[in-house]
Amino acid sequence: EAGVVQSPRYKIIEKKQPVAFWCNPISGHNTLYWYRQNLGQGPELLIRYENEEAVDDSQLPKDRFSAERLKGVDSTLKIQPAELGDSAVYLCASSLTMQWDEKLFFGSGTQLSVL
Amino acid sequence: LAKTTQPISMDSYEGQEVNITCSHNNIATNDYITWYQQFPSQGPRFIIQGYKTKVTNEVASLFIPADRKSSTLSLPRVSLSDTAVYYCLVGGTGGKLIFGQGTELSVKP
Repeated sequence: EAGVVQSPRYKIIEKKQPVAFWCNPISGHNTLYWYRQNLGQGPELLIRYENEEAVDDSQLPKDRFSAERLKGVDSTLKIQPAELGDSAVYLCASSLTMQWDEKLFFGSGTQLSVL
Repeated sequence: LAKTTQPISMDSYEGQEVNITCSHNNIATNDYITWYQQFPSQGPRFIIQGYKTKVTNEVASLFIPADRKSSTLSLPRVSLSDTAVYYCLVGGTGGKLIFGQGTELSVKP
């Protein structure tokens, strides 16, 4: 069974440029998460989707970040314009439900470098 | 939201048992305790989850005392491939799972 698939694996851009990350969750998983992980730190939740509805986006910097999950499957996270401080690994995860045994399955992430 | 505290780093040798303790003094009644493992250039991977007492699977054991204010992840007979960062998380139904800084375990030959 395929796991969570993310692309691209690496992305290098100049500041003020836009960038987008794509995530395909595990088939049948209703809940999808985007995390950002800075070097040496634990992942930080940006947004969580239940099907196509964003149920928690309190940590998403809405002035430059946007996300969508059309049809409740794939998701895209966008940054426009990117800043130097956005350099990090962006992780996507999915889980079957939001119930108590909330086991998250993570992708390998997209490593973003903003120059 | 319950906050967790765990050692920043630990060292061990191959074949030893490693115990990583996590403090979560403000754990709520409905919260479960979950541990994840992360290797470099990979996303975190679920290891084990529990609510109280002891849970064991093919990878690790999780010990939770009666007051549930702490938990201990036990890795039996570690190998070099167990070198990773281990995260302790506390959360419940519909709740937000917050990762702390994690414990960087280094296993030496």
